[in-house]
Amino acid sequence: AQRVTQPEKLLSVFKGAPVELKCNYSYSGSPELFWYVQYSRQRLQLLLRHISRESIKGFTADLNKGETSFHLKKPFAQEEDSAMYYCALCGNEKLTFGTGTRLTIIP
Amino acid sequence: EPEVTQTPSHQVTQMGQEVILRCVPISNHLYFYWYRQILGQKVEFLVSFYNNEISEKSEIFDDQFSVERPDGSNFTLKIRSTKLEDSAMYFCASSAGRLNEKLFFGSGTQLSVL
Repeated sequence: AQRVTQPEKLLSVFKGAPVELKCNYSYSGSPELFWYVQYSRQRLQLLLRHISRESIKGFTADLNKGETSFHLKKPFAQEEDSAMYYCALCGNEKLTFGTGTRLTIIP
Repeated sequence: EPEVTQTPSHQVTQMGQEVILRCVPISNHLYFYWYRQILGQKVEFLVSFYNNEISEKSEIFDDQFSVERPDGSNFTLKIRSTKLEDSAMYFCASSAGRLNEKLFFGSGTQLSVL
């Protein structure tokens, strides 16, 4: 079975402060992990995936197989980062989503 | 950037009625999906579709659900006899290749079963 856990439902961070959104997973195979973001009144969209090892909008995420984690980080939060963030794991031809974390950036 | 489009954006129906949710995936994509999100809960996988057949489905996707690609552009989700617990936001998604490639989501159809 594949499972994704996002322990924080809500996270509030001051503008300019570092952000870390936690994600842990459970999967017996070799995981492929993603972060999706949903801004207010917009559709779900891909933020980044671990395969490409890229930084999007200042966000990075490193896959830690030892800790089975894929935390999302940004060194300096911006107001436009306020959104719902979903960690997702690809396995068996389907994406399994975490419950999501609502990130609010306080001006 | 091309988009996945879904219609209608809102659908209200009586319990026991049939509903069809429509999606137009991105034109050169080959893989199609339906997900749903009950209010306050996580996004859940329903079904994946490739080469005119279901490739994977979840336990949620029981006999009341069916999917179809009736022509070259539309991808529909039919719920035969709706139940109250079917009320949710339904998202269509498509990708050019296998699931480890970028998934493009539609803006969703909010289904309310009364």
